[in-house]
Amino acid sequence: SQKIEQNSEALNIQEGKTATLTCNYTNYSPAYLQWYRQDPGRGPVFLLLIRENEKEKRKERLKVTFDTTLKQSLFHITASQPADSATYLCALEDSGYSTLTFGKGTMLLVSP
Amino acid sequence: NAGVTQTPKFQVLKTGQSMTLQCAQDMNHEYMSWYRQDPGMGLRLIHYSVGAGITDQGEVPNGYNVSRSTTEDFPLRLLSAAPSQTSVYFCASSLGGNTEAFFGQGTRLTVV
Repeated sequence: SQKIEQNSEALNIQEGKTATLTCNYTNYSPAYLQWYRQDPGRGPVFLLLIRENEKEKRKERLKVTFDTTLKQSLFHITASQPADSATYLCALEDSGYSTLTFGKGTMLLVSP
Repeated sequence: NAGVTQTPKFQVLKTGQSMTLQCAQDMNHEYMSWYRQDPGMGLRLIHYSVGAGITDQGEVPNGYNVSRSTTEDFPLRLLSAAPSQTSVYFCASSLGGNTEAFFGQGTRLTVV
């Protein structure tokens, strides 16, 4: 069966460090992969989309990599700030109908 | 530009009651979806629509109905509420493949 796995344990890092979150998937051949941020009590907010023919995508302090051979995406936040504390969700397209299948998310806690 | 609007934000129902969760978007998106989010389970797809008049089931459709009479609106109906439907419900819309999804603020539903 199809599965998306993200680190279930919270990631605690110090302000200024680089946070790296992992998304692994099985039994998918996604054309693209997306990352979302979710704050408590709010809906997910889109951050980045990376296509299968792109190895890396950047947006300000964010960087996403996509390795279709390893079936893995890495999400990096450089120079992390306490305001980056949130849950980060990985999502893959499902069935070509623009529905997304989400991982369970990884909570990131950035301490001052 | 309001984006995706969900109402109500909070709702308490008794077992067996019915209700409709409203979702409206003003971005002229063809694709709309309903997800539920439970602790430890992540976001799971309930129903989705690829355009007015077209709907289909997602991963967890039992106990829910949808219809799509207009591009803007995609209501989710609970026919006979059960405690297992206690959850946070999110509506999302998008332009289609390879594009970001926009989420509403969510409806927190408790069935007692």
